[in-house]
Amino acid sequence: DTGVSQDPRHKITKRGQNVTFRCDPISEHNRLYWYRQTLGQGPEFLTYFQNEAQLEKSRLLSDRFSAERPKGSFSTLEIQRTEQGDSAMYLCASSSQGEQFFGPGTRLTVL
Amino acid sequence: DQQVKQNSPSLSVQEGRISILNCDYTNSMFDYFLWYKKYPAEGPTFLISISSIKDKNEDGRFTVFLNKSAKHLSLHIVPSQPGDSAVYFCAASDRGNGGSNYKLTFGKGTLLTVNP
Repeated sequence: DTGVSQDPRHKITKRGQNVTFRCDPISEHNRLYWYRQTLGQGPEFLTYFQNEAQLEKSRLLSDRFSAERPKGSFSTLEIQRTEQGDSAMYLCASSSQGEQFFGPGTRLTVL
Repeated sequence: DQQVKQNSPSLSVQEGRISILNCDYTNSMFDYFLWYKKYPAEGPTFLISISSIKDKNEDGRFTVFLNKSAKHLSLHIVPSQPGDSAVYFCAASDRGNGGSNYKLTFGKGTLLTVNP
């Protein structure tokens, strides 16, 4: 399977804990995106990488959130000191010049 | 402030009939529009797109129409099949430099149910 993969698929954590998610994009794609989707809403843009450079961050991405793409391949999204409001589906997508292809997402539940 | 609006949360149609899903946008800088389909527990799957220089794009059973003056687009599915039952998201982008459609802005989605 050469699609976008995300790990883990589900994460349950207690408020105040740190969590980290991983995204592996389609191998030839140089652009990588993170989105967040809450119940009843469409995906909301969080951040965007072109190769290893983080080119844009949404104001939704508070200072508790950090994303990296160290070698221009996989990416990680870390949330520090999680809050109940962070509970959502975190989606990763990748693209070259065209449409974005999404992974299955990581569902985060903060208790 | 919803820049992309899908005002119908749900739509139900009979198998074989036409499904029409609607989307409105407010940002006049948007120049590229996409439709994604999403099944439960999966990520969105790209269906079809249209550039603002066109008013229609067709791919098999799926056709997207764009009315720039009304800031409105629609997705037509003909004929509808039970396997089309899913949530459909409209998305838009201001491609800016380089022609790449990054930073998609999504609507809230429309749940389509196709009844056998």
